[in-house]
Amino acid sequence: SAVISQKPSRDICQRGTSLTIQCQVDSQVTMMFWYRQQPGQSLTLIATANQGSEATYESGFVIDKFPISRPNLTFSTLTVSNLSPEDSSIYLCSVDAGPGADTQYFGPGTRLTVL
Amino acid sequence: AQSVTQLGSHVSVSEGALVLLRCNYSSSVPPYLFWYVQYPNQGLQLLLKYTTGATLVKGINGFEAEFKKSETSFHLTKPSAHMSDAAEYFCAVSDTGTALIFGKGTTLSVSS
Repeated sequence: SAVISQKPSRDICQRGTSLTIQCQVDSQVTMMFWYRQQPGQSLTLIATANQGSEATYESGFVIDKFPISRPNLTFSTLTVSNLSPEDSSIYLCSVDAGPGADTQYFGPGTRLTVL
Repeated sequence: AQSVTQLGSHVSVSEGALVLLRCNYSSSVPPYLFWYVQYPNQGLQLLLKYTTGATLVKGINGFEAEFKKSETSFHLTKPSAHMSDAAEYFCAVSDTGTALIFGKGTTLSVSS
């Protein structure tokens, strides 16, 4: 299984600012995913990030609010822009287990609080 | 569209008792089904998965789940609960193994 780290593990941000979350994997992976877990809620997929192409966003999520970079096969960033209290959530990255894989592995998450 | 329903947002059991967490899914194609566990302040850990083959799937920490197509269910069980099993449990469905659709989660509490 892949080992995934995220930075920061938590942050408190002011309204109107932005936060960039980093996701690092210990092996090369094809697909990386970003999820949001709002307080007391389940996980919702934000976007899928493939290296060398634009991220694919799910309904309700837009690139201007959640820009994603995927510069190589082991790293991705998610930026949450123009923060509002409604963005307070846990953001998790996950990776697939390889070509044709049927399993995703998750990072520890980034807990964001917006004041 | 795929969806997952987890019956019971909170389940409480005594240590040593049977654990049963319910999950029903809807999918227009044969699904991939997963159970993940989330311990406090930690990320998600894969407990077990069903893709093809045997419908009774064994996972880590003594958990198992049975895929019942006729009932569109994938309930998670453990014969004897341990205090360390207290966590949030998520059922998820996918038609390819990617783009997981998660249920709302079930919080399992274990009392001594």
